[in-house]
Amino acid sequence: DIVMTQSPLSLPVTPGEPASISCRSSQSLLHSDGYNYLDWYLQKPGQSPHLLIYLGSIRASGVPDRFSTSGSGTDFTLQISRVEAEDVGVYYCMQALQAPPTFGQGTKVEVK
Amino acid sequence: EVQLVESGGDLVKPGLSLRLSCTASGFTFGDYAMSWFRQAPGKGLEWVGFIRSRAYGATTQYAASAKGRFIISRDDSKSIAYLQMNSLRTEDTAVYYCARDKRGLWSGYPYWGQGALVTVSS
Repeated sequence: DIVMTQSPLSLPVTPGEPASISCRSSQSLLHSDGYNYLDWYLQKPGQSPHLLIYLGSIRASGVPDRFSTSGSGTDFTLQISRVEAEDVGVYYCMQALQAPPTFGQGTKVEVK
Repeated sequence: EVQLVESGGDLVKPGLSLRLSCTASGFTFGDYAMSWFRQAPGKGLEWVGFIRSRAYGATTQYAASAKGRFIISRDDSKSIAYLQMNSLRTEDTAVYYCARDKRGLWSGYPYWGQGALVTVSS
């Protein structure tokens, strides 16, 4: 199975400031079709996971443009340009290149 | 609007069985694969397995932790996906979510249910 490793596991943030989360995979997630099969999900407190990003860099419907990504292959970063209070929760990266889909441990983002 | 609603969560003793249902609406259920995930208390997300659509033989695939004990099935006439869990263990205690992706090029899991809590304890 592909192992996904996130850092940090806890991220205190100040509203209005930028934030970034790293995700590394044990194998390259770059497919021959040119896409990285890497998703990002946010799970807000008491809610189901919510899709933010798929195929490495494509924002899902309704996701604000303050969320962006960088990276390819095995190293990825999710960036929030200006954190808002509604962005708190646990962020997960997930590889979708091969079964079974596997998740990082999660990064808990909370307001300082 | 796509909606997924899990039901059937309960408190069960180790070794017993439980069946969860995922009732779908807002789309042609038979056209889509359906997936199950779980989240143990205070822990991260784990994929459990999925069932393809009938067009792809309704075949299934499971995580190693579920293989041989869990069975995913579907009833397209009722728009329901099932997760039959047998020989339950305390470590199966979790919130179980069903989810749906989109057809075509991979675009993540944009649709999730609200989850069903399964507690395995004596």
